[in-house]
Amino acid sequence: NAGVMQNPRHLVRRRGQEARLRCSPMKGHSHVYWYRQLPEEGLKFMVYLQKENIIDESGMPKERFSAEFPKEGPSILRIQQVVRGDSAAYFCASSPPFFSGSDPYNEQFFGPGTRLTVL
Amino acid sequence: QKEVEQDPGPLSVPEGAIVSLNCTYSNSAFQYFMWYRQYSRKGPELLMYTYSSGNKEDGRFTAQVDKSSKYISLFIRDSQPSDSATYLCAMSDYNTDKLIFGTGTRLQVFP
Repeated sequence: NAGVMQNPRHLVRRRGQEARLRCSPMKGHSHVYWYRQLPEEGLKFMVYLQKENIIDESGMPKERFSAEFPKEGPSILRIQQVVRGDSAAYFCASSPPFFSGSDPYNEQFFGPGTRLTVL
Repeated sequence: QKEVEQDPGPLSVPEGAIVSLNCTYSNSAFQYFMWYRQYSRKGPELLMYTYSSGNKEDGRFTAQVDKSSKYISLFIRDSQPSDSATYLCAMSDYNTDKLIFGTGTRLQVFP
């Protein structure tokens, strides 16, 4: 059972370009989360998605950032018109569907991350 | 004030030492408390989680939660060089799946 996959692992963009980060959740997982890790900082929640729905985007910057998790295919985090401050590691995590009566904690499994560098 | 505070270290200990890692938090709604280990240039992996207060033990690792003090700890017994990594605490409340992370403590165990 393959883990969470992210690609590309490294992405270099010039200021003003677009960055597209992809995340394939673990098999059977229907929940996807995106986190950003700036140098020397912990992970910051960005967005939580289920198939075709954004559940919580409270951590997403108001402009230039968007996320989707279509019915088919990977989840995409899209950053338009990148700036140097967007340089960071972006991690995706996935978790299985929550079933009533099961353990209330739904573990999030993290991918290896995409390291974005904006020149 | 950050919701979760964690000393960034680095913490350097000899092999075999007992390591104590800690986090404090301000949000009394947090119910789930997690410890993740992150090796350099890798994604975090879950070590342990605890629901509400109490202790939990798994091999060389013990997690403690004191909700009255808003303080959580991770103890590593008989530390090994392979334990050298960054340890992140994370928390969430019952109504949301988003994790709130500490900044991480960098641990170095030398032979």
